[in-house]
Amino acid sequence: EIVLTQSPGTLSLPPGERATLSCRASQSVSSSSLAWYQQKPDQAPRLLIYGASSRATGIPDRFSGSGSGTDFTLTISRLEPEDFAVYYCQQYGSSPRTFGQGTKVEIK
Amino acid sequence: EVQLVESGGGLVQPGRSLRLSCAASGFAFHDYTMSWVRQAPGQGLEWVSAITRNSDTTSYADSVKGRFTISRDNAKNSLYLQMNSLREEDTALYYCAKGNWGSPFDIWGQGTMVTVSS
Repeated sequence: EIVLTQSPGTLSLPPGERATLSCRASQSVSSSSLAWYQQKPDQAPRLLIYGASSRATGIPDRFSGSGSGTDFTLTISRLEPEDFAVYYCQQYGSSPRTFGQGTKVEIK
Repeated sequence: EVQLVESGGGLVQPGRSLRLSCAASGFAFHDYTMSWVRQAPGQGLEWVSAITRNSDTTSYADSVKGRFTISRDNAKNSLYLQMNSLREEDTALYYCAKGNWGSPFDIWGQGTMVTVSS
């Protein structure tokens, strides 16, 4: 099983700042099969990024993903008020499909 | 509109059973592998089980293997999760999610809450 470790656990930033979230895998993620999801309180997760760097339909271009192998990054270029949420990475290249423990992005 | 709607959750005693359902609409349900993902209160996401489009392959997390059974009825555009021998640690919000093997979960339902408590 591939274990995903996200850091930091909580990121406190003011609106307008750049947010950088990390996801590290215990072994190489095949074919960059790495996704990022956003979850707001009392809502289901929403797919943001797949294939490590491709934005899902309707996702603003301030969200970008990068990385390969075992190290991946989600960057939010300028935080908008609606971006404060919990973000999860997930690998879907091998079974079981595993999630990271999440990074909470909160308003400073 | 593409939609997944879960139902069947509730309060159940340890050791008892519960069956969850997920109704799909707005897409070709029979073309996709479907999964159940759960989230314990205040915790992260845990993949639980998946079933391929023709039901020929099912898979389970180790934490539920032997107790949970996933199934589907393509004629009814529905996904199911039969949960037996429930434990307190199964308490969670259960989501159904669409996503083939090698693809992310691009559509999620709103979830149905399962509480296991005496």
